[in-house]
Amino acid sequence: NAGVTQTPKFRVLKTGQSMTLLCAQDMNHEYMYWYRQDPGMGLRLIHYSVGEGTTAKGEVPDGYNVSRLKKQNFLLGLESAAPSQTSVYFCASSGQGVHNEQFFGPGTRLTVL
Amino acid sequence: AQSVAQPEDQVNVAEGNPLTVKCTYSVSGNPYLFWYVQYPNRGLQFLLKYITGDNLVKGSYGFEAEFNKSQTSFHLKKPSALVSDSALYFCAVRDSSGAGSYQLTFGKGTKLSVIP
Repeated sequence: NAGVTQTPKFRVLKTGQSMTLLCAQDMNHEYMYWYRQDPGMGLRLIHYSVGEGTTAKGEVPDGYNVSRLKKQNFLLGLESAAPSQTSVYFCASSGQGVHNEQFFGPGTRLTVL
Repeated sequence: AQSVAQPEDQVNVAEGNPLTVKCTYSVSGNPYLFWYVQYPNRGLQFLLKYITGDNLVKGSYGFEAEFNKSQTSFHLKKPSALVSDSALYFCAVRDSSGAGSYQLTFGKGTKLSVIP
């Protein structure tokens, strides 16, 4: 039981490049989330999904897109990376219901030059 | 709108002493409250949560938290600190009713340092 895994762990991009971050969970969770963590800012929600085929915007969605084609996977895309998107990205999942705790992946450290 | 405040960026405590990490919240409905811990270069780990019922909640690794509705607080406590408790602690809140309840709002985090 791997829990929540994220690929890749590290990435360096040049401004304007694109990339996709992959999140996978093996806990059969309905809900999945993408956050970014910046120093002194805590975690901020980018996008989330409450089920396969559904996505919704969070607090800071601009510049990102997501897809949830399979229940166990949640992809985060950057179409044209900007230095302001340099951050640590965390994926999380939780069971159905807003009272459930979230389980986090190990994070992806992204640097945009 | 929901919000969380962690008034202390850093808390230092001697090993063996009790520790408290403070958290206050604001929601329009009833709160669901969570504490998470983050060790260096790791993801967040769930410690405990308050949903309803008993105001004193016990969680992992000997931590507990007390929900105080009148003071809108949910402080994290441990009777005897260990050096291994040194980490970054996050409080989070979710409004149990209304729009946006899927979103979990995190505080900015408190760095706990336990001094041997």
